[in-house]
Amino acid sequence: SQKIEQNSEALNIQEGKTATLTCNYTNYSPAYLQWYRQDPGRGPVFLLLIRENEKEKRKERLKVTFDTTLKQSLFHITASQPADSATYLCALAPNYGGSQGNLIFGKGTKLSVKP
Amino acid sequence: DTAVSQTPKYLVTQMGNDKSIKCEQNLGHDTMYWYKQDSKKFLKIMFSYNNKELIINETVPNRFSPKSPDKAHLNLHINSLELGDSAVYFCASSQVTQGYGYTFGSGTRLTVV
Repeated sequence: SQKIEQNSEALNIQEGKTATLTCNYTNYSPAYLQWYRQDPGRGPVFLLLIRENEKEKRKERLKVTFDTTLKQSLFHITASQPADSATYLCALAPNYGGSQGNLIFGKGTKLSVKP
Repeated sequence: DTAVSQTPKYLVTQMGNDKSIKCEQNLGHDTMYWYKQDSKKFLKIMFSYNNKELIINETVPNRFSPKSPDKAHLNLHINSLELGDSAVYFCASSQVTQGYGYTFGSGTRLTVV
């Protein structure tokens, strides 16, 4: 069966450290993978998209890697701040013979950054 | 100037009632979606719709129906509400050809009593 798994339900780190979140998938061949941030009582907010032919993408303190062989994406937040505390969701669009399906989401990892 | 707006934000209703949630996007996107987020925070696709095609997730009961009066609106109608329908419902939109991220509304918390 097809699955998207975010290994940790929760991750606690100290301010200033790098947070690393993991997303693994099985039985998908996505053309791209996305990461979202969700705060309590709010809708998910798009952060980054990485395509299958890209190994790494950066945006300010965020970095995403995509390994289609391992079927894994890593999401890094460097120099983390308490304001980075939120739930982070991994999402991919299944590739159905060249056409994209709708975004499928992982269950998310709740990140807490302690001062 | 909210990009994707949903109303109402909260909805409390009794079992068996029929209710609607409205969604509007002002981004000019070609596709709109409804997602359901349950108590375990799992976000699950219900529908996607553009002016050509409605895609329904096979697990969605037929008590749920999307209605799109125009490209900027996708409303969600729910008939004969059940306790298990209690959840947060999110509307979203995207421009599929660009392959960019989805823009989500702030959600509607539906509570069926």
